[in-house]
Amino acid sequence: NAGVTQTPKFQVLKTGQSMTLQCAQDMNHNSMYWYRQDPGMGLRLIYYSASEGTTDKGEVPNGYNVSRLNKREFSLRLESAAPSQTSVYFCASSRGATGELFFGEGSRLTVL
Amino acid sequence: GENVEQHPSTLSVQEGDSAVIKCTYSDSASNYFPWYKQELGKGPQLIIDIRSNVGEKKDQRIAVTLNKTAKHFSLHITETQPEDSAVYFCAAWGSNQFYFGTGTSLTVIP
Repeated sequence: NAGVTQTPKFQVLKTGQSMTLQCAQDMNHNSMYWYRQDPGMGLRLIYYSASEGTTDKGEVPNGYNVSRLNKREFSLRLESAAPSQTSVYFCASSRGATGELFFGEGSRLTVL
Repeated sequence: GENVEQHPSTLSVQEGDSAVIKCTYSDSASNYFPWYKQELGKGPQLIIDIRSNVGEKKDQRIAVTLNKTAKHFSLHITETQPEDSAVYFCAAWGSNQFYFGTGTSLTVIP
């Protein structure tokens, strides 16, 4: 029972490069989320997808795009990485909007 | 949007003592308050939650209290054990998303 799987776990980028973080869940959850975690700032929502075919901005969406590929997969793309996007990124899923969030193990991204 | 404040940012207790972490929120419409525990190198996991129609909820050594009038809620851990050492986050549901506190790093000293 894998739960929420994120790839890659670690990535180093140069300023201006692009990359995509992949996330998949095997719990048949409707909702999926991307958070970033920075020291002293807790978890902040970047984008979420309440159901397959929908996506919405969260608290800090600038510089990111997302795709809900199907019910299982939700990807996060950085088109032109900036040092301010150095962070740990977490994907999460839940059965419904106010349900328990199940998190992946995180992806540590460093932008030089 | 919602604003969640969490205190303290770090907390050290002796094994067997109690630990209390406090959070306040700003949006009176918020109605669901979960607590997550994050161990080193892992994603957060839900440990307990409370909804606004309840004042207190307990699960073994962990309890959460909610004061809607004052807009604050607290996590209480009794008889702490070394495996309770982790970062704890409170959260509040409002405006179609969860807003998280900044986290409390709890260290239980054997």
